[in-house]
Amino acid sequence: DGGITQSPKYLFRKEGQNVTLSCEQNLNHDAMYWYRQDPGQGLRLIYYSQIVNDFQKGDIAEGYSVSREKKESFPLTVTSAQKNPTAFYLCASSSLMRGYEQYFGPGTRLTVT
Amino acid sequence: AQSVAQPEDQVNVAEGNPLTVKCTYSVSGNPYLFWYVQYPNRGLQFLLKYITGDNLVKGSYGFEAEFNKSQTSFHLKKPSALVSDSALYFCAVREKEYGNKLVFGAGTILRVKS
Repeated sequence: DGGITQSPKYLFRKEGQNVTLSCEQNLNHDAMYWYRQDPGQGLRLIYYSQIVNDFQKGDIAEGYSVSREKKESFPLTVTSAQKNPTAFYLCASSSLMRGYEQYFGPGTRLTVT
Repeated sequence: AQSVAQPEDQVNVAEGNPLTVKCTYSVSGNPYLFWYVQYPNRGLQFLLKYITGDNLVKGSYGFEAEFNKSQTSFHLKKPSALVSDSALYFCAVREKEYGNKLVFGAGTILRVKS
């Protein structure tokens, strides 16, 4: 899992509540990403950020929000507008100068009931 | 848009036998291709990548992949499978125009039996 940490590992929330997932990296990577993983669907991109104070919507951004106030941090908020939030969430980072491979955190499993 | 396909949901192989996990791609321009492995309830681990150069790419844990431009394939291979190789494998392609995001295949479950 490299130098990327995600917390918590498991998260339980009631429907209608917003919840924030943490992602921190110490790899000095410029770019950071949030993916959602559902069984049989691979990974889908929620948001990405290439530099501090800038981020872009991915393929499934509705019901999610992010911020990038520091290079090391890229928290994801799952809002009550997300209709099906129960999933495994993965954060990743990459260098834009070389390689392009992304390094992933250990993930957060969110369950909303 | 770039895409990859993994035609097999699951691959079964006996320990000690060679393994192949298939991936085909559809891209405009030169593809940047990647293989990742995921163990249960864990993040993805990077195995190897193809950007340019030799068509046979060597990666972590004895894995290698063969880039075939004419067949638009990037199959993952290992000469001798281990039970510990049992996991979920993802092929991915880089989308240069979208922050270098990765587009993933649906994944292939590899089961190695002793």
